[in-house]
Amino acid sequence: EAQVTQNPRYLITVTGKKLTVTCSQNMNHEYMSWYRQDPGLGLRQIYYSMNVEVTDKGDVPEGYKVSRKEKRNFPLILESPSPNQTSLYFCASSSGGGPQFFGPGTRLTVL
Amino acid sequence: GDSVTQMEGPVTLSEEAFLTINCTYTATGYPSLFWYVQYPGEGLQLLLKATKADDKGSNKGFEATYRKETTSFHLEKGSVQVSDSAVYFCALSDRGNYQLIWGAGTKLIIKP
Repeated sequence: EAQVTQNPRYLITVTGKKLTVTCSQNMNHEYMSWYRQDPGLGLRQIYYSMNVEVTDKGDVPEGYKVSRKEKRNFPLILESPSPNQTSLYFCASSSGGGPQFFGPGTRLTVL
Repeated sequence: GDSVTQMEGPVTLSEEAFLTINCTYTATGYPSLFWYVQYPGEGLQLLLKATKADDKGSNKGFEATYRKETTSFHLEKGSVQVSDSAVYFCALSDRGNYQLIWGAGTKLIIKP
């Protein structure tokens, strides 16, 4: 089954404790992206990747890192999380000219 | 820059009512337009799309027509069901469909 998976689905952590949210897709898509969704603000793009070893900032990259060492994986790293990074995070992937496929989301709470 | 504006929600309707969710856009090129739906507790799913002027996208009884003259892509459904309760997002892309510009989303509540 074609899908985008994210782990963990729920995470509660404390300020400053490094964490990684994994994202994996099995559709051989070259494009992958991370979004955060906050009430009243819609979806905002954090980082995206056009292919392996090619990443670029989205609209709200501060406090986040990403890497794209393999085509299928695109982890999101929070080196020192802060409470303003409490949000619902989505990973998405697509192939050229096609729609974006979304993962189920990761709800992160930073205390 | 490019932008998408959706009507604010929540929109509350009774079952079998007619639905319209307005979406207008600004773009410098000739964008592709999308409607995504997010059911409670789930990720976003593509509902329908249109890639050029006068195209009509349709899926699950929903329709939207790409109107270049009014820069609009309104979502319609003739008879809504309780199961249509969700958040609906309008989006555009004018860079090879990789980057999407999102509207803020419209929450739809259907009462039995």
